Amino acid sequence: KAGVTQTPRYLIKTRGQQVTLSCSPISGHRSVSWYQQTPGQGLQFLFEYFSETQRNKGNFPGRFSGRQFSNSRSEMNVSTLELGDSALYLCASSPPDPSSYNEQFFGPGTRLTVL
Amino acid sequence: SQQGEEDPQALSIQEGENATMNCSYKTSINNLQWYRQNSGRGLVHLILIRSNEREKHSGRLRVTLDTSKKSSSLLITASRAADTASYFCATALTDSWGKLQFGAGTQVVVTP
Repeated sequence: KAGVTQTPRYLIKTRGQQVTLSCSPISGHRSVSWYQQTPGQGLQFLFEYFSETQRNKGNFPGRFSGRQFSNSRSEMNVSTLELGDSALYLCASSPPDPSSYNEQFFGPGTRLTVL
Repeated sequence: SQQGEEDPQALSIQEGENATMNCSYKTSINNLQWYRQNSGRGLVHLILIRSNEREKHSGRLRVTLDTSKKSSSLLITASRAADTASYFCATALTDSWGKLQFGAGTQVVVTP
């Protein structure tokens, strides 16, 4: 099976702009989670989607939003970018097996730089 | 705040030696997972251990879990230069769908 894919791999934006990141989960996986990784804060959970519904959300401002499509692909959007949004954004998918609760497989990430 | 904390923060060993890192967490968990990350890349899933399990093996990896002490350890035996990476523990809490809480990680350097 192909792994989790994320596009684009690198992005450079300026303050005030908005950005959309895309994630395609492993085939058959319906749960997609997003994380932000920075040197200062480490890995922080943004939100999780399952069957096009947001089931869980982390402590991020409303500028961070996401959605999931019927084919389980997910996008996250950050509006009005700030310098502090520079980070590696990671997406992960989970298999449907209940015994694999929250077992997540990550994509390569999108490196976002805000200038 | 982070649920898990790894110890040590950094570890430097030679090829062939064993590497042990520990993880402590604060609240009851459904399971605990270990991940590896090479220099700013994605996380690679290594192993998942459930709250009712005490030990698990996968190749050169051995993971233990002590729920009474809220701690876990990851042992890498016979380290190789390719094991150089950051290692993270992540906890999954019951009824917290899709959310893993990560520690700050242990940076492991294996020199040939």
